[in-house]
Amino acid sequence: AQSVSQHNHHVILSEAASLELGCNYSYGGTVNLFWYVQYPGQHLQLLLKYFSGDPLVKGIKGFEAEFIKSKFSFNLRKPSVQWSDTAEYFCAVYRMDTGRRALTFGSGTRLQVQP
Amino acid sequence: EAQVTQNPRYLITVTGKKLTVTCSQNMNHEYMSWYRQDPGLGLRQIYYSMNVEVTDKGDVPEGYKVSRKEKRNFPLILESPSPNQTSLYFCASSLLGPNPETQYFGPGTRLLVL
Repeated sequence: AQSVSQHNHHVILSEAASLELGCNYSYGGTVNLFWYVQYPGQHLQLLLKYFSGDPLVKGIKGFEAEFIKSKFSFNLRKPSVQWSDTAEYFCAVYRMDTGRRALTFGSGTRLQVQP
Repeated sequence: EAQVTQNPRYLITVTGKKLTVTCSQNMNHEYMSWYRQDPGLGLRQIYYSMNVEVTDKGDVPEGYKVSRKEKRNFPLILESPSPNQTSLYFCASSLLGPNPETQYFGPGTRLLVL
C-alpha cells in the first residue's frame, strides 16, 4: 500500500537555525508531491508542490524542497527559520494512476521555533 | 474571496445522534473530498466526489455518508456517530483537469462524540 513517512515527529529549533524535514514515499510509479503547512488553529495551506521538471522547487515563505527520485524522497528545507514558522508540516503524495485524486498524507511533523 | 467553508467548526454530540457537517466552496470546483485528521496518522480520505451525483469511497468510509446534489456543497453525514469518530474533519476541493490540481482545504470541524 502507498505510504508516506515523515520520520521527524517533533522538531525544536531556535530562530535562524536551518531546517530540513524528511519525507519518503513508498510508491514506485509517477507521483506528484506536496508540502502543506497547518499553523495553530488554522486550516492546511499549500507550501509548495512538485509535478515535473526541476526537482528543486521553491515555495512560499522561503521554503524549498528537493525531489530525489532514486531515494523516493521530497525533503523540505528552509535556511533560516523564524518564530512564525511554528506549525505542523505535512508531506503529501498524489498518485497519477488512481482515479481517486486523493492525497496520501504523512503523519506530520510538528515544528516549534523558539525565539 | 475564494474559500472552502465548513459548519459547524466545533461539535460535541452523543453516540447515535445523527449529525451533518456541511462543506461549501465558491470556486466552481468539480472535485470535493472529506478527510479526517488523527494524531500520528495524518489525514485520511473518507469520501470524494468528482462531480454532482458522483461520489465514491476513500480509505476510511465506514460510518459515513456523503451526498453531492449541488456542485458547491458536499455534506458529510454521520448516521449513528460513535466515539471512534471523534476527530478533526477537513473538506477540500479542487479543479478536475487532466493533471493534478492543488486541493484547497476548509478550516476544519472538530468533532467530539461522547
